[in-house]
Amino acid sequence: SQQGEEDPQALSIQEGENATMNCSYKTSINNLQWYRQNSGRGLVHLILIRSNEREKHSGRLRVTLDTSKKSSSLLITASRAADTASYFCATVFQGAQKLVFGQGTRLTINP
Amino acid sequence: ETGVTQTPRHLVMGMTNKKSLKCEQHLGHNAMYWYKQSAKKPLELMFVYNFKEQTENNSVPSRFSPECPNSSHLFLHLHTLQPEDSALYLCASSQETVLSPLHFGNGTRLTVT
Repeated sequence: SQQGEEDPQALSIQEGENATMNCSYKTSINNLQWYRQNSGRGLVHLILIRSNEREKHSGRLRVTLDTSKKSSSLLITASRAADTASYFCATVFQGAQKLVFGQGTRLTINP
Repeated sequence: ETGVTQTPRHLVMGMTNKKSLKCEQHLGHNAMYWYKQSAKKPLELMFVYNFKEQTENNSVPSRFSPECPNSSHLFLHLHTLQPEDSALYLCASSQETVLSPLHFGNGTRLTVT
């Protein structure tokens, strides 16, 4: 399977703590994207990182990409209850025109 | 508001019914997608339209029939569905191909009885 795999599958932390989610993939990519999905809603795009980039920031979000290890991580700092959601990585593999999603990490922020 | 509107939000249909899902995007994007999201499975890409032309059919059964009359509207016509087709059906759009971020609608929750 080409899809990315998120780790952990579920994560529960206290409000204010940092949350780190990881994504691994198997073949070379054009870009990797992170999305958030609140229960029963559509996915919301968070960050896109290209294969020649190593790190990107957006507010409290920090994404890193290590193409040598074929992995990416999403860090959410100073978590809030509203960050409770499922987080998905999605990859566009070189030579493909499809965005392939992983199974996601279910993040719960406890007040 | 995401800029991508899907109707209906919920749909219950019998296996012999015919129904259609509708998606409209107000973002001026050129590409539109149908995804299926089932419990405990990754999102499955079903169809891709780029400038109204279908560019991807991910081995979807013929009981699902897409239609893209223009770059702002996308339909998914359903007929003779099976209970295992029950899922959340998500529409998305992007400026170009998948090298651009996708903007999703809130989906249609489909239950086949």
